[in-house]
Amino acid sequence: DAGITQSPRYKITETGRQVTLMCHQTWSHSYMFWYRQDLGHGLRLIYYSAAADITDKGEVPDGYVVSRSKTENFPLTLESATRSQTSVYFCASSGRGYHEQYFGPGTRLTVT
Amino acid sequence: GNSVTQMEGPVTLSEEAFLTINCTYTATGYPSLFWYVQYPGEGLQLLLKATKADDKGSNKGFEATYRKETTSFHLEKGSVQVSDSAVYFCALEGGSEKLVFGKGTKLTVNP
Repeated sequence: DAGITQSPRYKITETGRQVTLMCHQTWSHSYMFWYRQDLGHGLRLIYYSAAADITDKGEVPDGYVVSRSKTENFPLTLESATRSQTSVYFCASSGRGYHEQYFGPGTRLTVT
Repeated sequence: GNSVTQMEGPVTLSEEAFLTINCTYTATGYPSLFWYVQYPGEGLQLLLKATKADDKGSNKGFEATYRKETTSFHLEKGSVQVSDSAVYFCALEGGSEKLVFGKGTKLTVNP
């Protein structure tokens, strides 16, 4: 299906485990973004990517790693999950110069 | 740096009431402004946008006008419906392709 998808939609993991959240878009958008959404904080940018093999930190990058070997995929890895990383994670994409972003359905991650 | 401030919620209205959600911004230059909506359990969807001063964005009965003199982009709807119940986010893009979001305003519309 066309659009932007995230997997898994729900994930429960234990403290200290590595977990990877997947994001895939079919529009060939140049830009991709990862946000976390927490009550009282709204959406905060974790990492973003302007193109394949180009990534940069956002507002809250600590504890996260990203890669972008293909334009359509932008996985987010929590190398050693902590309870403070319990959140809802959203991936988004945008075409160069278009400014508006299109969001995936989100992944609800719980770290126990 | 760039920032967005929107009115604290939650907002509770009766069906057919008039809606205003205030949004003001701080930015250098000429940002693009957006309203996004998030329905329960879903991701954010672009509701409307404006890219220059005095532009009016509109969609699904919602409107917002880019006011540079007051640095505002207030969201309005003349007659809300139960189906408009959602969280609304104001956002700006200041030339870096990154969006800066407000904290969101939860709207509940009762029948």
